[in-house]
Amino acid sequence: GAGVSQSPSNKVTEKGKDVELRCDPISGHTALYWYRQSLGQGLEFLIYFQGNSAPDKSGLPSDRFSAERTGGSVSTLTIQRTQQEDSAVYLCASRFTGQGTYSNQPQHFGDGTRLSIL
Amino acid sequence: GNSVTQMEGPVTLSEEAFLTINCTYTATGYPSLFWYVQYPGEGLQLLLKATKADDKGSNKGFEATYRKETTSFHLEKGSVQVSDSAVYFCALRGSTLGRLYFGRGTQLTVWP
Repeated sequence: GAGVSQSPSNKVTEKGKDVELRCDPISGHTALYWYRQSLGQGLEFLIYFQGNSAPDKSGLPSDRFSAERTGGSVSTLTIQRTQQEDSAVYLCASRFTGQGTYSNQPQHFGDGTRLSIL
Repeated sequence: GNSVTQMEGPVTLSEEAFLTINCTYTATGYPSLFWYVQYPGEGLQLLLKATKADDKGSNKGFEATYRKETTSFHLEKGSVQVSDSAVYFCALRGSTLGRLYFGRGTQLTVWP
């Protein structure tokens, strides 16, 4: 597609439930990133994928958070046993990581998924 | 380590006023620097970027110059419009891995 697509755009769930957030990156973008935006913490990095592997998972806040990417394309962020502090907007970004003049491409962001935990 | 500090908001200006939003950074190596903008109800959009010292990024009348000697990347616009009202984020990318380090964001409101 033309841009990064995230679904759902809004998700309301009860504390303790599991949620899955989906990101469809721009076609051909090999790098994919998840961030979280919350009032108290600003924009926090969660995880980075290059292809299907995740060389940097350092931002995942706990073992309740996991993510996968399949076929070098769609990624799913899963939060198990949700807590109220997980309420935030979850942003996905993708980037083309070529060589030479294409090596410094910026990240392109989706509109995010607003997650509310009751 | 890598970090970004930008001026706290909110910033409130009248239309046609001059805008400066300060951003300083700490980084190892040679980072790339970015300004992203988030309009109400929308996602983050790249506003401008600079990839090496003394580069000037510009877009939509906004400018920022990568100053290595002062580790700064201040955002400026000579004459703001109501439509510029948004949250502005300064960010750096420090390595080939490409994750971004963001400042806390600055809310700009422009009144007619």
